Amino acid sequence: ETGVTQTPRHLVMGMTNKKSLKCEQHLGHNAMYWYKQSAKKPLELMFVYNFKEQTENNSVPSRFSPECPNSSHLFLHLHTLQPEDSALYLCASSQDGTSATGELFFGEGSRLTVL
Amino acid sequence: AQSVTQPDIHITVSEGASLELRCNYSYGATPYLFWYVQSPGQGLQLLLKYFSGDTLVQGIKGFEAEFKRSQSSFNLRKPSVHWSDAAEYFCAVGNSGAGSYQLTFGKGTKLSVIP
Repeated sequence: ETGVTQTPRHLVMGMTNKKSLKCEQHLGHNAMYWYKQSAKKPLELMFVYNFKEQTENNSVPSRFSPECPNSSHLFLHLHTLQPEDSALYLCASSQDGTSATGELFFGEGSRLTVL
Repeated sequence: AQSVTQPDIHITVSEGASLELRCNYSYGATPYLFWYVQSPGQGLQLLLKYFSGDTLVQGIKGFEAEFKRSQSSFNLRKPSVHWSDAAEYFCAVGNSGAGSYQLTFGKGTKLSVIP
C-alpha cells in the first residue's frame, strides 16, 4: 500500500448510529488532517494532528470525534449525525504540520450519507 | 483571515484548446499558493505550488501558474487541453497560524473537455 488510504469508501448511516472512518498513511509523515467536502462549498478543515497531538479543531461539533493513536493512523468517530453532515470526508497527511510550505497528500475520501 | 475566490464554477473547452482557470486570494502576508486537481471519485492531487522566487511556476501534466501580487491572482494555465484533464480544480492558500498549518481552499472550478 502506498499513499493515503481511507476506509470505508462509502458509508450510509442513520442518525442514531455510531460509525468510524479510518485513514492510514504510508508516507512516513508526521501530520494528519480531516477535511469535509460538501457540494457547492469549499473544503473545510476539521482537525489537524501533528506528532499525534491535536493542534487544530476548527469549531467542529462534538458529534465528530477524532482519534490519532500514532502518526500513521487517524480515525473520525461519528455519532448522532445530522443529514447535513452528509459529505465527502477527506483525510490528508503532510511531513510537518507546522509548515505552510509542505504539500498535502490526500486520500480518496469516504462518502458519508446520513439518513 | 485568508480567503480564495475561484470565479468560474464550470468551464468547458475543446480538446487542444488553451485553458486558463482564475484564482484570486486575500492574504495579508506573502502567500503560499497551491493548485490541486480532483478527478471524479478521487482525492486531491497537487499540480503545482508557489512559495517565492520566479512568479511563473511549472507543475505536473503540463500545467503552469503565474503569481501576480498586484492583482492578488494565481491563475492556472495549460496551452493545450487533453480529454484526461476533465476534473475539478482547486486553488488554495496556505499559512502557518496558531501552531498548525492550514490550507484554505476555493470552491473549485469544474473543467469539462469536448472531444
